[in-house]
Amino acid sequence: DAKTTQPNSMESNEEEPVHLPCNHSTISGTDYIHWYRQLPSQGPEYVIHGLTSNVNNRMASLAIAEDRKSSTLILHRATLRDAAVYYCIQEGQGGKLIFGQGTELSVKP
Amino acid sequence: NAGVMQNPRHLVRRRGQEARLRCSPMKGHSHVYWYRQLPEEGLKFMVYLQKENIIDESGMPKERFSAEFPKEGPSILRIQQVVRGDSAAYFCASSPLGLAGELFFGEGSRLTVL
Repeated sequence: DAKTTQPNSMESNEEEPVHLPCNHSTISGTDYIHWYRQLPSQGPEYVIHGLTSNVNNRMASLAIAEDRKSSTLILHRATLRDAAVYYCIQEGQGGKLIFGQGTELSVKP
Repeated sequence: NAGVMQNPRHLVRRRGQEARLRCSPMKGHSHVYWYRQLPEEGLKFMVYLQKENIIDESGMPKERFSAEFPKEGPSILRIQQVVRGDSAAYFCASSPLGLAGELFFGEGSRLTVL
């Protein structure tokens, strides 16, 4: 079963920042947090992953709480192409990713 | 470097037939994962393979489903005697390092069982 909790949906306006929250209260000290997104009718796409400290890449930033029980994916300027389902994933036992229901992000022009 | 290639993209089968879904991982990737996505649902892990070995098949139904990743050639997900409930999108992902790096997903194979 998925070990993360995310809001079912969120809305954003184009060109504005988006903060997508995730709770992972059962995370262990060695489990990475992974974020993927899935656009309609496409396969999931890697966004970012991290362990303890905040991470940045060309797509997004990942802010991980000091106790590691929650994290926030930050899209700095949402575009219409960012409308997707965003999955926050805690590694499952045995080295696999267990997807939850994700957050459906809609972006308004 | 071509991405993860899955074929067929769309497959229609009648109940009782067999479905074979193929996944060619990215070059140099030896880790392959299969996921299933039922309509309006999230992705469910099925199986994790490394070359010639099944590492974790905890998500595979006990009957009718099998997976392989031979030394040469693509990974195959085989569904025997398909039923309507098998209708879903099946996604394959590959990685050179397992979860130490990102997983690259294919576009999926959409199976429809009539």
